[in-house]
Amino acid sequence: NAGVMQNPRHLVRRRGQEARLRCSPMKGHSHVYWYRQLPEEGLKFMVYLQKENIIDESGMPKERFSAEFPKEGPSILRIQQVVRGDSAAYFCASSPPVGTGNSPLHFGNGTRLTVT
Amino acid sequence: SQQGEEDPQALSIQEGENATMNCSYKTSINNLQWYRQNSGRGLVHLILIRSNEREKHSGRLRVTLDTSKKSSSLLITASRAADTASYFCATDGGYSTLTFGKGTMLLVSP
Repeated sequence: NAGVMQNPRHLVRRRGQEARLRCSPMKGHSHVYWYRQLPEEGLKFMVYLQKENIIDESGMPKERFSAEFPKEGPSILRIQQVVRGDSAAYFCASSPPVGTGNSPLHFGNGTRLTVT
Repeated sequence: SQQGEEDPQALSIQEGENATMNCSYKTSINNLQWYRQNSGRGLVHLILIRSNEREKHSGRLRVTLDTSKKSSSLLITASRAADTASYFCATDGGYSTLTFGKGTMLLVSP
């Protein structure tokens, strides 16, 4: 069974460009979570999605950031008009449809975004 | 604000020694989980302890939970160089997803 797949692993964008980060959850997992990690920091929750639904986006900046998890295909985290402060590692995790905290999260290896 | 806070921030030990990391949290929880992260990689789940459990073992790992003090500890016995990583606790206290602390960086020297 393939684990959580994220691509690309590394992404370089100039200020003002758009960044698209993709995440394919583990087979059988219908819940997807996006986290952001700055150097030597913990993970900051951004958004929690189920298929075609955003369940909790309380950690996502109100502007420039959006996320989706369509019926078919991977989950996408989109950052428009990137700024240097968006440089970070973005991790996706997935879980089966159980209550929060009742199941481990399975993480991908992240996308490292560098904004120049 | 952070739900979980690990202590110490960094820990350096020799192979064969035990490593103890602590986690404190603020709100009531149903479960607490510990994760490990190797440099440049995603987090890997280690162990889940429920709020009605006091202690749990998995191989060389021992986790304790004290809900009255809102704290947990992770003990790695007979550490190996391969245990070098960052360790995070995560809690589900009233939120729709897990909240992670800043982690403890463990360095095990041969």
